[in-house]
Amino acid sequence: AQSVAQPEDQVNVAEGNPLTVKCTYSVSGNPYLFWYVQYPNRGLQFLLKYITGDNLVKGSYGFEAEFNKSQTSFHLKKPSALVSDSALYFCAVRRYNFNKFYFGSGTKLNVKP
Amino acid sequence: DGGITQSPKYLFRKEGQNVTLSCEQNLNHDAMYWYRQDPGQGLRLIYYSQIVNDFQKGDIAEGYSVSREKKESFPLTVTSAQKNPTAFYLCASKPVSGELFFGEGSRLTVL
Repeated sequence: AQSVAQPEDQVNVAEGNPLTVKCTYSVSGNPYLFWYVQYPNRGLQFLLKYITGDNLVKGSYGFEAEFNKSQTSFHLKKPSALVSDSALYFCAVRRYNFNKFYFGSGTKLNVKP
Repeated sequence: DGGITQSPKYLFRKEGQNVTLSCEQNLNHDAMYWYRQDPGQGLRLIYYSQIVNDFQKGDIAEGYSVSREKKESFPLTVTSAQKNPTAFYLCASKPVSGELFFGEGSRLTVL
């Protein structure tokens, strides 16, 4: 069965500090991995994806994520957090050649000034 | 601009009524999806469609129905059989390979 786990419901970080939002996955075969961000009462916005190639993926707004196959993880990172990064973050996975996506339960990121 | 349009943004329904949520895309994507979002539960897949005139049930299809008569449109009907329909509904589309593109969502409240 395919699944995604985001072990932290909430992450608190001070502005200017690095942030990490964790994601682990379980999927048969090669995974396609994604990160999305959601602001209140809005749709999800795409941040970045891993399909193949370099394990370090760079995305929008200074975010990056590292694919670790042995640990089945895809953690989202940013070197210096902004207050405006405060939002709900979702990790998602789908199997190669399949159209069904599986989402984690989301992690609320709070960046304090 | 290309994108996904969901309407209405907010909808109120009395118990026992069916309601239809609209989703239109001009991205020329083949695949379209409906998700339900509840607090603390992430996104759950209701239905998805990979081509016109074809769709598949997701994980929580009971009490919902869809149609895909045109490539651009994928409306979702929340029927009176759905026991707890109050939620935020998100429509998305996807090109042949790649990520999901989401609309702005529709919030349904049952009075």
